[in-house]
Amino acid sequence: SAVISQKPSRDICQRGTSLTIQCQVDSQVTMMFWYRQQPGQSLTLIATANQGSEATYESGFVIDKFPISRPNLTFSTLTVSNMSPEDSSIYLCSVEAGGPDEQYFGPGTRLTVT
Amino acid sequence: LAKTTQPISMDSYEGQEVNITCSHNNIATNDYITWYQQFPSQGPRFIIQGYKTKVTNEVASLFIPADRKSSTLSLPRVSLSDTAVYYCLVRRGTGRRALTFGSGTRLQVQP
Repeated sequence: SAVISQKPSRDICQRGTSLTIQCQVDSQVTMMFWYRQQPGQSLTLIATANQGSEATYESGFVIDKFPISRPNLTFSTLTVSNMSPEDSSIYLCSVEAGGPDEQYFGPGTRLTVT
Repeated sequence: LAKTTQPISMDSYEGQEVNITCSHNNIATNDYITWYQQFPSQGPRFIIQGYKTKVTNEVASLFIPADRKSSTLSLPRVSLSDTAVYYCLVRRGTGRRALTFGSGTRLQVQP
């Protein structure tokens, strides 16, 4: 298993600013994933972050808007840049741990953009 | 990747058995069926995974018929704390590791 923490747990930001979300894992993992969950909706994958390589973004998500860092095997950050109200959402990170078929999720960061 | 279809919502009462069926008609030979549970204000939590027949753990059972075009998550004797959204996912045994979530089933357990 894996224990994941995220910071901040929530934030209210103004339009046009940026927010960096941190994801910390209690063990070393190769792959980390970032998801977005809009209110009342399912989860949508933003990108996959492997340590030592560029993140791989899903269709509809671009690096300029959601830059990701993965400096080591236990940590990653996701930045939401130049925010608009449409970016209001819960952002979650996850890792694959405990076996090849189990993913563990952080508690999420609830972002509100005004 | 196989598309999944599951009921949007279900209601039950405490102590009842709940069965949530998921359809995945175009599942491929090397695909696994996985279920996650999500409580409000929390990230999803892995419940159970299977390939065929029946899998049981301390939380739930997963029934998969021979054609694997559907699966049923069975929650025995639900309690109020089982109120959550349940996601059925089909994922490859190899290759892409990220999860593709469908719309999920919102289970409401009443006292």
